[in-house]
Amino acid sequence: QKEVEQNSGPLSVPEGAIASLNCTYSDRGSQSFFWYRQYSGKSPELIMSIYSNGDKEDGRFTAQLNKASQYVSLLIRDSQPSDSATYLCAVNEVTGGGNKLTFGTGTQLKVEL
Amino acid sequence: GAVVSQHPSRVICKSGTSVKIECRSLDFQATTMFWYRQFPKKSLMLMATSNEGSKATYEQGVEKDKFLINHASLTLSTLTVTSAHPEDSSFYICSARGGGLAGGGTDTQYFGPGTRLTVL
Repeated sequence: QKEVEQNSGPLSVPEGAIASLNCTYSDRGSQSFFWYRQYSGKSPELIMSIYSNGDKEDGRFTAQLNKASQYVSLLIRDSQPSDSATYLCAVNEVTGGGNKLTFGTGTQLKVEL
Repeated sequence: GAVVSQHPSRVICKSGTSVKIECRSLDFQATTMFWYRQFPKKSLMLMATSNEGSKATYEQGVEKDKFLINHASLTLSTLTVTSAHPEDSSFYICSARGGGLAGGGTDTQYFGPGTRLTVL
């Protein structure tokens, strides 16, 4: 059973701080990694994808990937109250029936004023 | 780009009735669509994967005769919950994956807004 693990939180950070969200995965063969944001009562929204080791930046978001450690993280700079949501880490899994995403249980982020 | 719509957004029905949910990719061709279910404060649970023109692949424990999936075109998939019961009440979310979208790889999934089903 392929697993994706996240700390459920809540992770509380003050407005303007850096929020660091972490994720580990068990399938060493995984090549594609995604971060989604889900507001309460809404569907997930894609934030970033990352495929290569290292950092990938997009605005206030930076995804970091370390395949050797099977670890992917998301940094949110200058956190805003509107960033308060659950962040889902997803790892692409190659199966006999095709590719599918395995999701972590999500980390709840609270950005406080 | 990469917009996925779902209809209806919310449905309330009586126990025993069937409910059909539509998922459409509006600006790309979705070779594969996925159906998820999410209970309150729980993680997404993949129900099935559907490829255009072929039978859906259901996850273990998901009754294929109860959750009928049709993926008749590259832009439309439907999920029919047959003989719905209160325990089927949940948030149903579809996602679509297409090839070669700008900014997204061929394995990137884009989610619809979800359908909240309440069975009385």
